Amino acid sequence: DTAVSQTPKYLVTQMGNDKSIKCEQNLGHDTMYWYKQDSKKFLKIMFSYNNKELIINETVPNRFSPKSPDKAHLNLHINSLELGDSAVYFCASSQAGYQETQYFGPGTRLLVL
Amino acid sequence: DAKTTQPTSMDCAEGRAANLPCNHSTISGNEYVYWYRQIHSQGPQYIIHGLKNNETNEMASLIITEDRKSSTLILPHATLRDTAVYYCIVLMNRDDKIIFGKGTRLHILP
Repeated sequence: DTAVSQTPKYLVTQMGNDKSIKCEQNLGHDTMYWYKQDSKKFLKIMFSYNNKELIINETVPNRFSPKSPDKAHLNLHINSLELGDSAVYFCASSQAGYQETQYFGPGTRLLVL
Repeated sequence: DAKTTQPTSMDCAEGRAANLPCNHSTISGNEYVYWYRQIHSQGPQYIIHGLKNNETNEMASLIITEDRKSSTLILPHATLRDTAVYYCIVLMNRDDKIIFGKGTRLHILP
């Protein structure tokens, strides 16, 4: 009965590959997010979706493409992976906008070799 | 980019109250103060939030100064499981972006 789940938990891949990270929330929330936490532990917003529509798209390379098949899922697809993409990626959800409490998933640790 | 300033690290003895300060001197009238924490290898966890009144829940208390330029998160009886990085965040409005700063690394000492 995990509220926000992500798969996979760990992802090790070669440069140039394409990979996807999946996120699902069973809280009935309308808004979902993707964050990137780098090696310095800064946590930065990447994307935000509300009811399957993109509402925030930070300065993220267009190799990153979020996809929301329904409001309970927000997947992150990354093309042509680069070394600098190595990080922990967190999915989160909230009932509405940012002033609502966000619930985070356990994270996906991506290592690009 | 963060709108808040926190000490880099703090120590607290197990069983004692942990008081974590946060400065947000540029906060505006409609901005909320949120606290999250991140335990090692886990996703951030919501703790508490407030606008101008002090708040308390089962996890912690939040004390906001009258001028709202600073706040203190209080963990009344710290345990070893409270060892984590604590983030203080201010949010202006519904479409504002959460920006996590470096946070305070809290060490609970046995």
